[in-house]
Amino acid sequence: KNQVEQSPQSLIILEGKNCTLQCNYTVSPFSNLRWYKQDTGRGPVSLTIMTFSENTKSNGRYTATLDADTKQSSLHITASQLSDSASYICVVTQTGANNLFFGTGTRLTVIP
Amino acid sequence: GAVVSQHPSRVICKSGTSVKIECRSLDFQATTMFWYRQFPKKSLMLMATSNEGSKATYEQGVEKDKFLINHASLTLSTLTVTSAHPEDSSFYICSAREGTNSRGYTFGSGTRLTVV
Repeated sequence: KNQVEQSPQSLIILEGKNCTLQCNYTVSPFSNLRWYKQDTGRGPVSLTIMTFSENTKSNGRYTATLDADTKQSSLHITASQLSDSASYICVVTQTGANNLFFGTGTRLTVIP
Repeated sequence: GAVVSQHPSRVICKSGTSVKIECRSLDFQATTMFWYRQFPKKSLMLMATSNEGSKATYEQGVEKDKFLINHASLTLSTLTVTSAHPEDSSFYICSAREGTNSRGYTFGSGTRLTVV
């Protein structure tokens, strides 16, 4: 069964600290993996996208990693800001298919 | 980058009325558009996939006559919630894909529907 699981479900960190969010998937055949940031009441915004051959992709303070062998990805956020408070969603696309497989998301709260 | 505009962002309607939500790709042609529904603190749930000029493909459990989808052009898809009921209240999000590029998914900003 094609699934995407994220952990932790929620996370609270102090402003300025780093954090890492995890994504494990069983989607096959694998096409690409995206991390999205979704603010409350808004649509998801793409942070990074990685294909099978890409191990790391950065976007400012966001760095995503991908291990296609173990089917794991992580999103590392450095020097967190209050505006980083949002849900972070891991999405995996299957080769040749229209559907995206969504993780349940990690709710990050950055406090002053 | 690719931009998808979704309107309205919020709508309140009375039970029994119909509501139309628009999804537009502003700077690219969207061969395929997707409609999602999202419940509080839950992930997005695919409702239907629409290809320009053809009938939408609905996911299991989604009522075709309830959620009418029209994808009449390469830049516009609409979702009409017919005979709305309070249980239809939810957050609806569209996404658009340029061509068959599996990398090219862009989401709209979402529509908060409240049926009273």
